[in-house]
Amino acid sequence: DAGVIQSPRHEVTEMGQEVTLRCKPISGHDYLFWYRQTMMRGLELLIYFNNNVPIDDSGMPEDRFSAKMPNASFSTLKIQPSEPRDSAVYFCASSPTTSGKTPGQFFGPGTRLTVL
Amino acid sequence: RKEVEQDPGPFNVPEGATVAFNCTYSNSASQSFFWYRQDCRKEPKLLMSVYSSGNEDGRFTAQLNRASQYISLLIRDSKLSDSATYLCVVNMRGGGSQGNLIFGKGTKLSVKP
Repeated sequence: DAGVIQSPRHEVTEMGQEVTLRCKPISGHDYLFWYRQTMMRGLELLIYFNNNVPIDDSGMPEDRFSAKMPNASFSTLKIQPSEPRDSAVYFCASSPTTSGKTPGQFFGPGTRLTVL
Repeated sequence: RKEVEQDPGPFNVPEGATVAFNCTYSNSASQSFFWYRQDCRKEPKLLMSVYSSGNEDGRFTAQLNRASQYISLLIRDSKLSDSATYLCVVNMRGGGSQGNLIFGKGTKLSVKP
């Protein structure tokens, strides 16, 4: 079975440019998460969706960041304009709804973003 | 107090050794706990959930101490392939809410031949 798919795997861009990261969750998973990982701050939740609806975007750093989920199999995270401090690895993760305890999340391979 | 705290390590151990990691969390209402493993330049992968009664999966044993608000991971007979960073993950707001997982910064393990 295919896992979470992210593209591109690597992105190098210049400050001020728009960056769009893409994610395809595991089929049947109705939760989708966007994380950012840096050495200094570790793994931070940016935003998550349930059934394509944004539930909590309190982790989104500022207005330069936006995320959409137009359907159950696709989500984007956009940074406009990008800044050098946005350089990080961005992970997308998905998980199913289950009764009882919270299930774990399944991560994609990540997009390594470098903003020059 | 940080929400989820781990000793960053590194823990350098020989093959065959037993090694244990602890993790403390700040929210006493937390109900879901996990250990994830992350290899260098890879994504985090779920290693195991942590249940109140403790649970074992092969060479790995996870335990939860609610009174002291810490969870532990024990690795027996460590292998070279166990070398990775181990992330402690806690649902901070309690209950089954999906979006409230807080990840620790991880403990790095290096198993030497």
